[in-house]
Amino acid sequence: DSGVTQTPKHLITATGQRVTLRCSPRSGDLSVYWYQQSLDQGLQFLIQYYNGEERAKGNILERFSAQQFPDLHSELNLSSLELGDSALYFCASSVVRTSGVGELFFGEGSRLTVL
Amino acid sequence: GENVEQHPSTLSVQEGDSAVIKCTYSDSASNYFPWYKQELGKGPQLIIDIRSNVGEKKDQRIAVTLNKTAKHFSLHITETQPEDSAVYFCAAATAGGTSYGKLTFGQGTILTVHP
Repeated sequence: DSGVTQTPKHLITATGQRVTLRCSPRSGDLSVYWYQQSLDQGLQFLIQYYNGEERAKGNILERFSAQQFPDLHSELNLSSLELGDSALYFCASSVVRTSGVGELFFGEGSRLTVL
Repeated sequence: GENVEQHPSTLSVQEGDSAVIKCTYSDSASNYFPWYKQELGKGPQLIIDIRSNVGEKKDQRIAVTLNKTAKHFSLHITETQPEDSAVYFCAAATAGGTSYGKLTFGQGTILTVHP
């Protein structure tokens, strides 16, 4: 158990809909990262938050947004869903600060299926 | 931005054999290179990492080597066991600046160890 909790584990929805994925980081970790994993794209970095503030953006679509709340949990919002958004979405947390690098602890992922 | 290439995409070995997975990176500023193992239905988990001031690091049956000049690093698993079967990801990151620990991952290698 990594200590990172993601909900829901599975989600099936229709095209055009909106979903919210939730992540609770490990206790004490200030950094939260969102990654998308699909069969042909590997682990793609979406966005990163540090102590409530956005710090880095990757290949995140405009239809997607995220935030980190004062209690440090994070939500990833996916809207106007398309078939191609079907993927496994991972949240990870880390204790690293501004200039550090170190272990990322991943949750078990939220599997999104868009029909 | 950083680009990480990983080979092979699949690797099949007999129990007891060695397995080698190779990665190349593009950004000469990268100085942290972790390897993650992902088992079925789980999130990736760190198995070993190396920083650019070290050429090789070992942990029991696992070793990682780094060639900064050629910008490539490799994972070596000796005496493979069926429980080593999983997807392995290499990654790269830059310590310093405002990276906040963001990792760029390779495409992954599916390792199958046959009993």
